[in-house]
Amino acid sequence: KAGVTQTPRYLIKTRGQQVTLSCSPISGHRSVSWYQQTPGQGLQFLFEYFSETQRNKGNFPGRFSGRQFSNSRSEMNVSTLELGDSALYLCASSLDVRGEQYFGPGTRLTVT
Amino acid sequence: GESVGLHLPTLSVQEGDNSIINCAYSNSASDYFIWYKQESGKGPQFIIDIRSNMDKRQGQRVTVLLNKTVKHLSLQIAATQPGDSAVYFCAETDGSGYSTLTFGKGTMLLVSP
Repeated sequence: KAGVTQTPRYLIKTRGQQVTLSCSPISGHRSVSWYQQTPGQGLQFLFEYFSETQRNKGNFPGRFSGRQFSNSRSEMNVSTLELGDSALYLCASSLDVRGEQYFGPGTRLTVT
Repeated sequence: GESVGLHLPTLSVQEGDNSIINCAYSNSASDYFIWYKQESGKGPQFIIDIRSNMDKRQGQRVTVLLNKTVKHLSLQIAATQPGDSAVYFCAETDGSGYSTLTFGKGTMLLVSP
């Protein structure tokens, strides 16, 4: 069974731009969560989607948003990028909201 | 490879040694705890979990100990191998599910042959 895939793997953007990251969960998984990983703050929960609905949201500004499609694929969007948004963005999927999470390799975003 | 963290606590061991990685948590409402391993350039990988109604759980070469009194979690790796070199994170959740995990800062384990 294929694992969680994330695209693109690497991305360079400039301040003020916006970016969209994509996550394809493991086949059959309906829950997708997003995390931001930085050297200073470590791994921080962004949001979780289940059946196309945002179920939980972490403590991030409104510039961070996401959505989930009917096939469980998910995207997250960051608008008006800031230098501090440079991070590894990780997506994790699970069968349901209480299931074990499987992480993708992440998207490395660099904001210049 | 990619660095997953700077200024992480580091544990250096020799191949064959037993390793113990510690983690303190703060939320007394947390009732699920998970240890993850993250290798350079990869996402975190599930190692073992434990519920708050248990003190100890064993897997293959790994044991997790939970002390709820002092809010402390540890991961013991027996006969550590070079392939165990990675950053190890503990994570906790309050029972609403694995999906909203709070991660610790991580510990880098370096295993010398």
